[in-house]
Amino acid sequence: QVQLQESGPGLVKPSETLSLTCTVSGGSISSYYWTWIRQSPAKGLEWIGNIFYSGTTDYNPSLQSRVSISLDMPKIQFSLRLTSVSAADTAVYYCARGLNSDPYGMDVWGQGTTVIVSS
Amino acid sequence: DTQMTQSPSSVSASVGERVTITCRASEDINGWLAWYQQRPGKAPQLLIYGGSTLQSGVPARFSGSESGTEFTLTISSLQAEDCATYYCQQTDKLPPTFGQGTKVDIK
Repeated sequence: QVQLQESGPGLVKPSETLSLTCTVSGGSISSYYWTWIRQSPAKGLEWIGNIFYSGTTDYNPSLQSRVSISLDMPKIQFSLRLTSVSAADTAVYYCARGLNSDPYGMDVWGQGTTVIVSS
Repeated sequence: DTQMTQSPSSVSASVGERVTITCRASEDINGWLAWYQQRPGKAPQLLIYGGSTLQSGVPARFSGSESGTEFTLTISSLQAEDCATYYCQQTDKLPPTFGQGTKVDIK
């Protein structure tokens, strides 16, 4: 049973960089897409971007200039970096696995981690 | 971005009753639609993908259908554990986008 767990700081100062890691356990990173999503009362569920195990990435155009997703195969982890954050980036951040048949659909989710942007 | 509009925003029904949630896409998404259930304080869980394919382990009382750009999630016989917020997501076009959610509770 594949499980995902997000980790990272819960508080980030405005203009700084948000960094989160998702650790995959019980399965392999190979042959799947790995995704970051966030949820806030203001914007609802928002797809941030994904990375294929080969390293290919797709990002939400609204965040593309500030976001990067990377993979660490040996550690079986993938990470999110979001630069120049503001209060609008306050949200619960989820990592998830894409379906084999539909990379943008997500069948396994982490429990989520709350990130607050505040000085 | 493709806009996904769900209705109603909330529904209250009795145990055993049939519940229907609708999601309309602002453009053709070629049937690429997923439905998720989110209980309070938890991550969303995939119910249906490809418009009508039931995810493994999901009870058969959940079903999905499609008519053009309108998609429907049906709970054939509402159970107490189905109290949650339900979201649709189009997975055809980048960026994938979600509906605003429909909250289901027991009358």
